[in-house]
Amino acid sequence: EDQVTQSPEALRLQEGESSSLNCSYTVSGLRGLFWYRQDPGKGPEFLFTLYSAGEEKEKERLKATLTKKESFLHITAPKPEDSATYLCAVIQGSSNTGKLIFGQGTTLQVKP
Amino acid sequence: DGGITQSPKYLFRKEGQNVTLSCEQNLNHDAMYWYRQDPGQGLRLIYYSQIVNDFQKGDIAEGYSVSREKKESFPLTVTSAQKNPTAFYLCATTRTGIMNTEAFFGQGTRLTVV
Repeated sequence: EDQVTQSPEALRLQEGESSSLNCSYTVSGLRGLFWYRQDPGKGPEFLFTLYSAGEEKEKERLKATLTKKESFLHITAPKPEDSATYLCAVIQGSSNTGKLIFGQGTTLQVKP
Repeated sequence: DGGITQSPKYLFRKEGQNVTLSCEQNLNHDAMYWYRQDPGQGLRLIYYSQIVNDFQKGDIAEGYSVSREKKESFPLTVTSAQKNPTAFYLCATTRTGIMNTEAFFGQGTRLTVV
C-alpha cells in the first residue's frame, strides 16, 4: 500500500537555526514527489517536484532532496515568515492519474 | 489572474441538509480533484475528474457527489449520508490527469455541522 510519513509532526526553531524535515515514502514506482507549504486556513502552495533519486531543488532558504526511500526539506537560516505546515505527497503508483498520497505534515514555527 | 476559486470560504450545515461547495478554475487544466483535510491527518481524495462529463471515486467518496459539466467547474455536494462532514475541503487541478505534474490548490472551504 502506498504510504507517506512525515517527521517530526512539529518543529520549533529559533530564527537562523537550520534544520531538516523528513518525508519517508512507500510507493510502487515513484512517479513524482511534491513539497507544499500550507498557511493556516489556506490551500497548499506548491514548492518543489522531485522525480528521481539524487535530484535536488532549491528556492530561497529551502532545499529539497530525494533518495529511493525518503525526501528531506532543508531549511537554512529560517525566518519567522517560514512558519507554516509543510506537506509532502507522492503520486499514487498504481494509477495513471495525478492522484496524490499526502503525509500528515510538519508544522514549523520559527521564533524571532 | 489565473487561479482556482473556491466558495464559500465558510459553510455551516444543519443535520440532514445537503450542501454544495463550488470550485471554478481558469487555468485551462483538464483534471480536477476534491480533497478533505482533517486535523492531524493528510489530505484524502474524495473524487476526481480527468475530463468533462467523467469522474471517479477517490478513497473516501461515500456521502459525497460531484458533477463535471464544464471544464472550468467541479462542484462537490456533501449529502446527508456523510456522517462526519466537518472538515476543510480543498479543490485542486493538474494540467492533465495523467502526466506527473504538480497540483494547484484553491483556498479551501471550511464546512461545519451545526
